[in-house]
Amino acid sequence: KAGVTQTPRYLIKTRGQQVTLSCSPISGHRSVSWYQQTPGQGLQFLFEYFSETQRNKGNFPGRFSGRQFSNSRSEMNVSTLELGDSALYLCASSFRPNMNTEAFFGQGTRLTVV
Amino acid sequence: AQKITQTQPGMFVQEKEAVTLDCTYDTSDQSYGLFWYKQPSSGEMIFLIYQGSYDEQNATEGRYSLNFQKARKSANLVISASQLGDSAMYFCAMREPVTDSWGKLQFGAGTQVVVTP
Repeated sequence: KAGVTQTPRYLIKTRGQQVTLSCSPISGHRSVSWYQQTPGQGLQFLFEYFSETQRNKGNFPGRFSGRQFSNSRSEMNVSTLELGDSALYLCASSFRPNMNTEAFFGQGTRLTVV
Repeated sequence: AQKITQTQPGMFVQEKEAVTLDCTYDTSDQSYGLFWYKQPSSGEMIFLIYQGSYDEQNATEGRYSLNFQKARKSANLVISASQLGDSAMYFCAMREPVTDSWGKLQFGAGTQVVVTP
């Protein structure tokens, strides 16, 4: 079956703009989580959605937001982009968020803010 | 506080040799899950192996095995018979119970493995 699909793969934006990233989870998976990966901070949790509800949120400013649709697809939005938002954004899907359920990741969206 | 510690930033290993990647974790919960992921230069995170806190046996998946020492809070990954395709960044991660959610994975800083011929 198809894996996790993230679009677009690459983005270049200028400071102050806003951006929307998309994640389509594996068919049947209802849990989607987002992570930001930078050389300096490593992998940091952004948020988690399950059945269209945000269940958990990481320590990021309000410029970072997300949502999940009824088909489990998820989007994240970053408004008023800053240079420090340049990162690889990874989406992970799980059948449901259990302790022993592995998360399957997409290939990520590489965002560059100039 | 750092929840997952990977003390080896990078290591070289010869093809066909075994390599052990260190991971220690910090939690006060009795229930938790430990994961190892591989990230090649392409960026995708690939799931390798899982160990639950209540599992008495060490997890194994093909050439990957997890050396789980609960009292030491240690979950080291062992890759046997290394292959050139094993060159990648390896991350240790943990899931802890959070109200209404098990979804958050906390990652270590990673270990870069380079397999040489």
